[in-house]
Amino acid sequence: GAVVSQHPSRVICKSGTSVKIECRSLDFQATTMFWYRQFPKQSLMLMATSNEGSKATYEQGVEKDKFLINHASLTLSTLTVTSAHPEDSSFYICSGRQINTGELFFGEGSRLTVL
Amino acid sequence: GENVEQHPSTLSVQEGDSAVIKCTYSDSASNYFPWYKQELGKGPQLIIDIRSNVGEKKDQRIAVTLNKTAKHFSLHITETQPEDSAVYFCAAIKGLTGGGNKLTFGTGTQLKVEL
Repeated sequence: GAVVSQHPSRVICKSGTSVKIECRSLDFQATTMFWYRQFPKQSLMLMATSNEGSKATYEQGVEKDKFLINHASLTLSTLTVTSAHPEDSSFYICSGRQINTGELFFGEGSRLTVL
Repeated sequence: GENVEQHPSTLSVQEGDSAVIKCTYSDSASNYFPWYKQELGKGPQLIIDIRSNVGEKKDQRIAVTLNKTAKHFSLHITETQPEDSAVYFCAAIKGLTGGGNKLTFGTGTQLKVEL
C-alpha cells in the first residue's frame, strides 16, 4: 500500500507552547488529508479535513484557531497545536486520500504529551 | 450522518482458532468498507476492504463479507496467530472519491490471540 509519513512520532512540550506535526504522502498525491485524534482505548475521532490549496473544514467542537491546519501541496499537510495544554495530550493521526483511487492511507501517528 | 457499530469490543481466542468481528452501518448509501489493524502506538493499517458491489472478499487468512440488505459486514480471521493480536476497526464511507466524504469508524475490537 501507499505510504504516509508523520513527523515527529513523539513530542513532549511545555504548556503554552505550540507544536507542529507534519504529514507527508511519500509515493502518491493526496488531494485530501484528514486529521484524527485518538485517546487511549478509543476510536479515531475526525478533527478536520484539509484540501490542497484551500482552508480546512473542521468538525463540530474542534477549535480552528487552536488546531491550525495547512495543506500547501499534494504531498504535505501540517497540524499545529497552538498554546498547548495538558488536555491536548493525545495521539494525532493523519490520513491521505489517493488522488486517483480515493483510497485512504494512514500515517504512523504522533504522540503529543503536554506537561 | 453515518453511524457504525462494532462488536465485540474485546475478543480472546486460542491460537489457531477463528475470530469474527461484526459491524453494522446506518447509511444505505455507504459503498466502501475498509478494515484496519492498529498495533499499540502505531497508526491504523488497512488490511482488507470491500465495495458494495461485492458480497465477499478473501486475502489469505482474512476475509470480509458484506450484506447490503441488512447493512452489516464482518471480518473473519482464520488460523489466528499471536501477531494477529491488535485493535481492529471497521469503517464505512459513502463515495470513496468524493472530496467531502469522510470515513466513519467503528468503536474498535481488541483481539487477543492466546498461546
